[in-house]
Amino acid sequence: NAGVTQTPKFQVLKTGQSMTLQCAQDMNHEYMSWYRQDPGMGLRLIHYSVGAGITDQGEVPNGYNVSRSTTEDFPLRLLSAAPSQTSVYFCASSDPGNTEAFFGQGTRLTVV
Amino acid sequence: AQSVTQLDSQVPVFEEAPVELRCNYSSSVSVYLFWYVQYPNQGLQLLLKYLSGSTLVKGINGFEAEFNKSQTSFHLRKPSVHISDTAEYFCAVMPQNAGGTSYGKLTFGQGTILTVHP
Repeated sequence: NAGVTQTPKFQVLKTGQSMTLQCAQDMNHEYMSWYRQDPGMGLRLIHYSVGAGITDQGEVPNGYNVSRSTTEDFPLRLLSAAPSQTSVYFCASSDPGNTEAFFGQGTRLTVV
Repeated sequence: AQSVTQLDSQVPVFEEAPVELRCNYSSSVSVYLFWYVQYPNQGLQLLLKYLSGSTLVKGINGFEAEFNKSQTSFHLRKPSVHISDTAEYFCAVMPQNAGGTSYGKLTFGQGTILTVHP
C-alpha cells in the first residue's frame, strides 16, 4: 500500500543544472498535482493534471515543466535550476468525487 | 480565485490547555475546506474536512473545526493538547467545479506552527 511515492527524498543541484523529480501513485487517481513549500508561504500549486495527457499551470509554474503520459506518473522537470527553486516539493493525488488529496513524503531540493 | 489566511504564524501552548488555530478564506466560487497537519520532515496528513451539512466537523486526534459561512472562517480547535500535537497546521480550500466535484487543486494558508510545552 505505497500511496504516493516521491523520489529522490533529497537533492542538491548546481545553478543551471536540470533534473526530474519523480512522482508515482498506485491508487489509480485521475488528479495529480505538484506543490512547493517555502517557510511562511504555505504550499503553492506549481502544475496539476486532471488525467493522462492533460496538464495545466498552477500559481507558480515558471521554471518547471510537467507531462502526464500515464495515470500513475507525474514527473516535474526543472530545466535550468535557480537558487529561487530551493524548496520542499510535494506531489499529491486525488479522485473526482473524493476530495481528500494524498501527499507524498516530499523532495527537499537545494540549488547552490 | 481563492485565498487563505491563517491569522497566527506561531501558537505556543502548555500541555492539556485548549487551543484554537484561526483560518479565514475568500473565494468567488463554492469551496471545500480542509485542515492538514505536517509533523517534522514528513508529508501532509488530513485532519478533517468540511464538504457540506453540519458546520461542526470532527477529525482525527481529537481535533474539530467549525465552518462559519458569514465570516468565511474555518477555525480549528482542540480542548486539551498533548506534546505529540506539536506540528505545523495548514488550512486549505479546494474549489468545487460544475459537477460538484473538484480538480484536486488546493490553495493553502501560510501555516501555523503549534508548539506544546510540558
